[in-house]
Amino acid sequence: EAQVTQNPRYLITVTGKKLTVTCSQNMNHEYMSWYRQDPGLGLRQIYYSMNVEVTDKGDVPEGYKVSRKEKRNFPLILESPSPNQTSLYFCASRPAQGREKLFFGSGTQLSVL
Amino acid sequence: AQSVTQPDIHITVSEGASLELRCNYSYGATPYLFWYVQSPGQGLQLLLKYFSGDTLVQGIKGFEAEFKRSQSSFNLRKPSVHWSDAAEYFCAVGLNSGGYQKVTFGTGTKLQVIP
Repeated sequence: EAQVTQNPRYLITVTGKKLTVTCSQNMNHEYMSWYRQDPGLGLRQIYYSMNVEVTDKGDVPEGYKVSRKEKRNFPLILESPSPNQTSLYFCASRPAQGREKLFFGSGTQLSVL
Repeated sequence: AQSVTQPDIHITVSEGASLELRCNYSYGATPYLFWYVQSPGQGLQLLLKYFSGDTLVQGIKGFEAEFKRSQSSFNLRKPSVHWSDAAEYFCAVGLNSGGYQKVTFGTGTKLQVIP
């Protein structure tokens, strides 16, 4: 089954404790992206990747890191989480062509205390 | 900069009534246009998309949307709403940006369906 898998689904942590949210897709998609969803703000792009070893900042990259060492994986790293990073996070992927739809993971609800 | 506006934060309709969700975008050219739906606790699922051709596009679950270039709009419609349509709906716009298609999402419209 074609899918984007995010882990964990829920995460509670404390300020400053490094964490990684994993994302994996099994569709051989070139493009992958991370979004955060906050009430009243919709989805905002954090980082995206056009292919292996090609990543770039989205609209709200501060406090986040990503890597794309393999085509299928695109982890999101929070080196020193802060409470303003409490949010619902989504990973998405699609083929290279922009007209193609995004496939979304089920989301990761992160709470930073 | 490209922007997407969904002016209605919440909409409540009765089951069986018609529905129209508004979406306006700001850009000089015709972008790729999408509507996604998010059910509670789920990721987003594509309802329909437009990139060229017939300006009235049909999607899944009985939804349709009409692209109106003169109004920079891409409103989503359904003639008869079912209780299972209660969800949050996002309009999204895809535009060329630095050699790739950047997708910008609206802030969403939460749909409540009452019996």
